[in-house]
Parts: sequence; structure tokens; C-alpha cells
Amino acid sequence: EDQVTQSPEALRLQEGESSSLNCSYTVSGLRGLFWYRQDPGKGPEFLFTLYSAGEEKEKERLKATLTKKESFLHITAPKPEDSATYLCAVQARGGSYIPTFGRGTSLIVHP
Amino acid sequence: DSGVTQTPKHLITATGQRVTLRCSPRSGDLSVYWYQQSLDQGLQFLIQYYNGEERAKGNILERFSAQQFPDLHSELNLSSLELGDSALYFCASSAASGGAQETQYFGPGTRLLVL
Repeated sequence: EDQVTQSPEALRLQEGESSSLNCSYTVSGLRGLFWYRQDPGKGPEFLFTLYSAGEEKEKERLKATLTKKESFLHITAPKPEDSATYLCAVQARGGSYIPTFGRGTSLIVHP
Repeated sequence: DSGVTQTPKHLITATGQRVTLRCSPRSGDLSVYWYQQSLDQGLQFLIQYYNGEERAKGNILERFSAQQFPDLHSELNLSSLELGDSALYFCASSAASGGAQETQYFGPGTRLLVL
């Protein structure tokens, strides 16, 4: 069974304090790993897709990286508007290709 | 704005009742996915439709059903509602059949409260 574990569950940062969120996964074979941002009461907003180990993608203050066992979402010099829950999902080879989501990391950035 | 629309935004109903949630996918997208999100369960996949046909099924209760219409909008029907059905229900869409590496775009959700 595919498993996705995100850590920490919650993270509080001061504005400008860089940090990383972790997504550890167990799948029979990885097709793709997705990162989403979700604001309270709203739908997940797509951020990145990573396909293979060693791949990196960046968007503003966010940078996602991928290894064979985990992915990191690095947040550089965060601002209060980066506060949200960040979800990770993995898509495995074969089967229905429906992604399995982690429980998310709730990030709060204080001014 | 993802381009996926959902109605209604909020729904309050009583136990035992039946409700219908509606979703319109992004223009050109053929696949629609339904998810349930509650505080203790996270985001749970319910069901996928592709071009009018059921493509994949997840943890969907027998009391729940869905369909996708010729204009590609989808409806999720929830019946004999229980208190535990209170949750956020999201619809997502993707371009094709949900194959490898295909990105899903989520709607704003419907918040269901069962009293």
C-alpha cells in the first residue's frame, strides 16, 4: 500500500526564517510527486510536480526537491502570506494512477 | 482560480437527508475526481469519472454515488446522511484519463454540515 508521511505536522516560523518541509513516501514505483498549497477552507492549489530523483523545481520562495525516498519543500525567507497547509501526494506506477495524499504540514509565518 | 467550479459553497442539512453537490471541470478537462476532507482523515479519494464513465473508485460509501454528464459536469449524491459525513468535499479535474503524472486542479470545495 502506498504511504505518504509529512513532517512536521505543524511549523511556526518568523518572517525571513528559512526552513524545510518533508514528505517521505513508500510506493512500488514512483510516477510523480505533487506539492499543493491549501489555505483554510479552500481547495488545494497546485505548486509542483516532480518526476525523478534529483529533480528540483522553484517558484518564488519555494523550492521542491526529490530523492528516491522523500521530497523536501524548502521555503526561503518566508513571508506571512506563505502561511498555509502544504500537501504532498504521490502517484504510483500501474493501477489507477490516483494520487495518495499526505496529511499535510501546517505552516504559520509570523511577521 | 483553478477554473474548477463547485456549488453550493456551504450546505447544512439534517441526518437522514440527501444532498447533491455539483462540479464543473476546467474547460477542456475530461476527468473529474471527488475527494472528501475531514480533520481526522485528511484528503480521501472517493471516485473518478472520465468522459462520462466511472474510471476509478476509492473509499466511497454505498450511500454515496456520482455521475458525469455529457457536458462533463459532475454531481456527487450523498444520501442517508450521518453526522460523520460532515466534511469538505472537493472536486478536481485533469485533462485526460488521469494517467501517469497528470496534474489535478481542485475546486473551492463544498462544506457540508450534517446536524
